[in-house]
Amino acid sequence: GESVGLHLPTLSVQEGDNSIINCAYSNSASDYFIWYKQESGKGPQFIIDIRSNMDKRQGQRVTVLLNKTVKHLSLQIAATQPGDSAVYFCAENMEGKLIFGQGTTLQVKP
Amino acid sequence: DAGITQSPRHKVTETGTPVTLRCHQTENHRYMYWYRQDPGHGLRLIHYSYGVKDTDKGEVSDGYSVSRSKTEDFLLTLESATSSQTSVYFCAISGQGAETQYFGPGTRLLVL
Repeated sequence: GESVGLHLPTLSVQEGDNSIINCAYSNSASDYFIWYKQESGKGPQFIIDIRSNMDKRQGQRVTVLLNKTVKHLSLQIAATQPGDSAVYFCAENMEGKLIFGQGTTLQVKP
Repeated sequence: DAGITQSPRHKVTETGTPVTLRCHQTENHRYMYWYRQDPGHGLRLIHYSYGVKDTDKGEVSDGYSVSRSKTEDFLLTLESATSSQTSVYFCAISGQGAETQYFGPGTRLLVL
């Protein structure tokens, strides 16, 4: 099975609300994690990354949280907008290669 | 798309024919990767390159070969295409191994 998985295949949120997308990983030795956004018909786009020596990292409207105790990663999007509708992937650095989860679809309701 | 182009963007071919996909970058990044993306499987690594003429296999390399004769170009070849190779293929680049990877726009391949 996949070492990186997402808890929910689809997340539906109201425009303006905050979104939280979760990810679990299995390798406690992983030291680098990335979140990607993929819009329909396009390639994955880098959003934010975090190293294992950090618990939290913030970007523009996005925050990534890392809980190494339970091997859990989350992506928080503040004030979700229609343009945030996409598939979101987490990726884990495992033995020098990135391993991707299957993705969570974020749907933003107007 | 971080200075990455893929060609062709769409291709339809028949089973048993050879197919070559090209990835071209203008970032002078050392690492280049080929992935395939299929429903229910996410992104899976096919092959990667860590320098000119230096390549290695990924998770799903059977039926695929690659070549990198220049820093900017990474070619993926399906020697004899099969229907199971119908997929969307993405190229990615990275300045350092397995750090942030930047993806190209993808190639949609249909093998009939």
